[in-house]
Amino acid sequence: QQQVKQSPQSLIVQKGGISIINCAYENTAFDYFPWYQQFPGKGPALLIAIRPDVSEKKEGRFTISFNKSAKQFSLHIMDSQPGDSATYFCAARRRSNFGNEKLTFGTGTRLTIIP
Amino acid sequence: ETGVTQSPTHLIKTRGQQVTLRCSSQSGHNTVSWYQQALGQGPQFIFQYYREEENGRGNFPPRFSGLQFPNYSSELNVNALELDDSALYLCASSSQGNSPLHFGNGTRLTVT
Repeated sequence: QQQVKQSPQSLIVQKGGISIINCAYENTAFDYFPWYQQFPGKGPALLIAIRPDVSEKKEGRFTISFNKSAKQFSLHIMDSQPGDSATYFCAARRRSNFGNEKLTFGTGTRLTIIP
Repeated sequence: ETGVTQSPTHLIKTRGQQVTLRCSSQSGHNTVSWYQQALGQGPQFIFQYYREEENGRGNFPPRFSGLQFPNYSSELNVNALELDDSALYLCASSSQGNSPLHFGNGTRLTVT
């Protein structure tokens, strides 16, 4: 059972445009929602993360929008650059008093920025 | 600050064999997690180790096992390899207490 659904599977955006990737979750026990960026041959790298007590978080060109009632969150990349071409994964973590760090990942979005 | 390092980077094994993958956690991190990433998929949680004990396990059979050492490094062992075990195996470390996960670059395992 996939607990985090991610769309689209692939995305092509023109340089300077806005890239938007969406995720939806089912488990209301999730309390932490990171986005990871992965380049070919590399491991995922943490990009930005949000907790459900805020509706938006911005770091540079990257913004997470969070809708708790709809159980959805999205990544917006402003002024997209060719160097942003990578696979992006959303993820969610269930709160745990014992510090279990298990992340449930979406299936990924391959983003291509064209000149 | 040294990041998460994994070895080897690539490995080819035959069905039925056993394999050991290694991971050194990031400096200051005491928790290690292992993930399996099949081609074109998101990483899937295998298990996590804290204080040398397994602290959470995903939906993987017992032939997937692990160890954590006093220096917080870790091993992933897979017995009786199957073709479907072919994947990128990722190690991630963190500090105990719901801190962010930092991933290594993985070990690409191919089972023939």
